[in-house]
Amino acid sequence: KQEVTQIPAALSVPEGENLVLNCSFTDSAIYNLQWFRQDPGKGLTSLLLIQSSQREQTSGRLNASLDKSSGRSTLYIAASQPGDSATYLCAVRPGDYKLSFGAGTTVTVRA
Amino acid sequence: GAGVSQSPSNKVTEKGKDVELRCDPISGHTALYWYRQSLGQGLEFLIYFQGNSAPDKSGLPSDRFSAERTGGSVSTLTIQRTQQEDSAVYLCASSPSPSGAETQYFGPGTRLLVL
Repeated sequence: KQEVTQIPAALSVPEGENLVLNCSFTDSAIYNLQWFRQDPGKGLTSLLLIQSSQREQTSGRLNASLDKSSGRSTLYIAASQPGDSATYLCAVRPGDYKLSFGAGTTVTVRA
Repeated sequence: GAGVSQSPSNKVTEKGKDVELRCDPISGHTALYWYRQSLGQGLEFLIYFQGNSAPDKSGLPSDRFSAERTGGSVSTLTIQRTQQEDSAVYLCASSPSPSGAETQYFGPGTRLLVL
């Protein structure tokens, strides 16, 4: 069974600092990996999707890397802003369609 | 365009009662998923619909849970004889197809509280 772990569980940084969120998974046979953002009381918003053949994806201030062989992904958020405060979820997709989620990292960016 | 919508947004019920949760996927999306997010736990897969194929119910936690999708669009998740451990956020997602290249688009969820 695929196990997805996110470290740290919570993170608090001053505005302007770069954020580094880690995700690890136990089974490297994945189809893709996604990073989602969840705001309190809201659903999930997809941030980046990395196919298994890719090593990274970038969107604006966000960059996600994938090392499938070691079972790791890292989400970098540059120059953090208070609006980046949210819970960030990592999800891996094995050969089928069921996503396996980590428990998330709750980020607080202090103004 | 409109995203995935879910209703009700919040539901409070008494133990033993039945509840129905509704999901309207994005128009044209053939794949529909239900997940559950319990307090302190990650999201867990419940059920998957793809077109007219038989649904994958492998994630349903008990036979009190059932779901249907009418006309390949709207889906209803039904929980019979609710228990306190059913309290959670129930999230619905849809995607254009089940292929690996497509992301799943999530609705805002239904927050269920069983007293």
